[in-house]
Amino acid sequence: DIQMTQSPASLSASLEEIVTITCQASQDIGNWLSWYQQKPGKSPQLLIYGATSLADGVPSRFSGSRSGTQYSLKISRLQVEDIGIYYCLQAYSAPPTFGGGTKLELK
Amino acid sequence: EVQLQESGPGLVKPSQSLSLTCSVTGYSITSNYWGWIRKFPGNKMEWMGYISYSGSTSYNPSLKSRISITRDTSKNQFFLQLNSVTTEDTATYYCARGGVLFDYWGQGVMVTVSS
Repeated sequence: DIQMTQSPASLSASLEEIVTITCQASQDIGNWLSWYQQKPGKSPQLLIYGATSLADGVPSRFSGSRSGTQYSLKISRLQVEDIGIYYCLQAYSAPPTFGGGTKLELK
Repeated sequence: EVQLQESGPGLVKPSQSLSLTCSVTGYSITSNYWGWIRKFPGNKMEWMGYISYSGSTSYNPSLKSRISITRDTSKNQFFLQLNSVTTEDTATYYCARGGVLFDYWGQGVMVTVSS
């Protein structure tokens, strides 16, 4: 299985701060990478697909990028409603595998 | 609007089978793919498998001998059965639209495996 190493595991940031979360794939996965946000008490929500494409209805402060086998999710100006757990998911090779998650909290 | 709703017992005894239903409204399950994902205590997420618009299935090899995903198109529902459960199957189970990319999710159902 492809391993997705997500970092950091937890992150404390201030309002309006820039936040970056990364996932390192154990092998090439092309752009078969999506990002999900899970707010407290809610189900996960798709943020980014194809490594860089913003899902419908997702604020433009979220963006995804790729550098080789490293993938990043950036929140340009952190808002209160962005608090939660973030996951990456690779779908290049079966079975799809998730990163370990990043718990984002307000400082 | 597409909506998914999981249902099923919240407590299952070890060695028994876990059976969950996902009821879909606002979209036909004869289109697209429909998956099951679980989240363990401690936040690890695992892709379990999916059933396609045609009824074909794909499963996580780690579960392949224990898992079955089926559907009832007349009720627009699909189902998860996981056999021979252990305490390690304690998790929140989600159904979602998609096979490997999920754009609509149910609210999740917490299942505890305990005697």
